[in-house]
Amino acid sequence: EADIYQTPRYLVIGTGKKITLECSQTMGHDKMYWYQQDPGMELHLIHYSYGVNSTEKGDLSSESTVSRIRTEHFPLTLESARPSHTSQYLCASSEYLGQGTDEQFFGPGTRLTVL
Amino acid sequence: GQQVMQIPQYQHVQEGEDFTTYCNSSTTLSNIQWYKQRPGGHPVFLIQLVKSGEVKKQKRLTFQFGEAKKNSSLHITATQTTDVGTYFCAGLDFNKFYFGSGTKLNVKP
Repeated sequence: EADIYQTPRYLVIGTGKKITLECSQTMGHDKMYWYQQDPGMELHLIHYSYGVNSTEKGDLSSESTVSRIRTEHFPLTLESARPSHTSQYLCASSEYLGQGTDEQFFGPGTRLTVL
Repeated sequence: GQQVMQIPQYQHVQEGEDFTTYCNSSTTLSNIQWYKQRPGGHPVFLIQLVKSGEVKKQKRLTFQFGEAKKNSSLHITATQTTDVGTYFCAGLDFNKFYFGSGTKLNVKP
């Protein structure tokens, strides 16, 4: 079982609040990712990181920010939550093993509801 | 922009029947990965294909990467109830992973 953790697991919050979703991994992986997934739908990449002080935007990133100060920690912040942010947020990490292998290990997810 | 399409969206089979899901990309991919997500769970890595025309097998599962590296398939032989879940492909293009919409498999005992 992969060692990647997300907190909180569930969050119900009002519109306009600032929230931070936590993600930590103990595998020493350089690459980390945030995805948004609505129930039964595909995963959309929000942000990714290749290592400390490296962050890149995915296709769905305009309303959130990330930081990568430590290898093991990759928090996601929504500055002002809106009902359209209601979704499941999945964090993942991977280690480049050579020859393009990039198995992603996913955390259990944070299910966010914005009222 | 990059798009990864996956068909069918849903598949209901009787236990013992075969199942196939197809993944098509609008651009050539560096590699393609397959994941399985059980209801209420998170995606779990199944396999990665890198080479053009590559075929890999895992027990009853057979994965194939197209010659042009723009399509892939996952075939399950003689499905079991434990195969229930949503199967996603994820293509790597310019360092970003693009997930397909998934195929939800239901297996009736």
